[in-house]
Amino acid sequence: TQLLEQSPQFLSIQEGENLTVYCNSSSVFSSLQWYRQEPGEGPVLLVTVVTGGEVKKLKRLTFQFGDARKDSSLHITAAQPGDTGLYLCAANFGNEKLTFGTGTRLTIIP
Amino acid sequence: KAGVTQTPRYLIKTRGQQVTLSCSPISGHRSVSWYQQTPGQGLQFLFEYFSETQRNKGNFPGRFSGRQFSNSRSEMNVSTLELGDSALYLCASSLEGPRNIQYFGAGTRLSVL
Repeated sequence: TQLLEQSPQFLSIQEGENLTVYCNSSSVFSSLQWYRQEPGEGPVLLVTVVTGGEVKKLKRLTFQFGDARKDSSLHITAAQPGDTGLYLCAANFGNEKLTFGTGTRLTIIP
Repeated sequence: KAGVTQTPRYLIKTRGQQVTLSCSPISGHRSVSWYQQTPGQGLQFLFEYFSETQRNKGNFPGRFSGRQFSNSRSEMNVSTLELGDSALYLCASSLEGPRNIQYFGAGTRLSVL
């Protein structure tokens, strides 16, 4: 069974600070997606990374895919209250299923 | 174009009952996946349907079943409800399958009393 561990599980920081959340697996994945979910809504896709070592930027968000394709990170610069939400990574391990991580619940304090 | 629509949004049932949830995918999407989300277990894959056929299945008991119609709309059914079935049930549609971008509905919040 492939598992995706995210850390930290909870994170509460002040507006304007930077943060990084991590997604790790013991198995290699073929692609990885990051989602954000807000209360009362379904997850919304932020980015997909497919190449080991790949870095993608989405405004203040920077996503990195580890060289060994077993880990990924999401870095947010100058966090804003609108960044508050549940961040989920999801991996494809070469089959047609998407395995979701345990999630990081982020709260940005104004 | 319209997003993924799930109905109903909220549902309260008692143990032993059965329930049917509905999902209307984005027009043109042929793949529908269902997930269960709970605080303790996170988001877990239930099954995926493509062209009216179940193509993949997660590790859930047989009480959980689903189907897909010719218009790609999908339903999932849970029979003999247990307290532990209380969860947010999400469906996601994509063009061809989980390797494509998946678009999620807002979910159905099921409470089993």
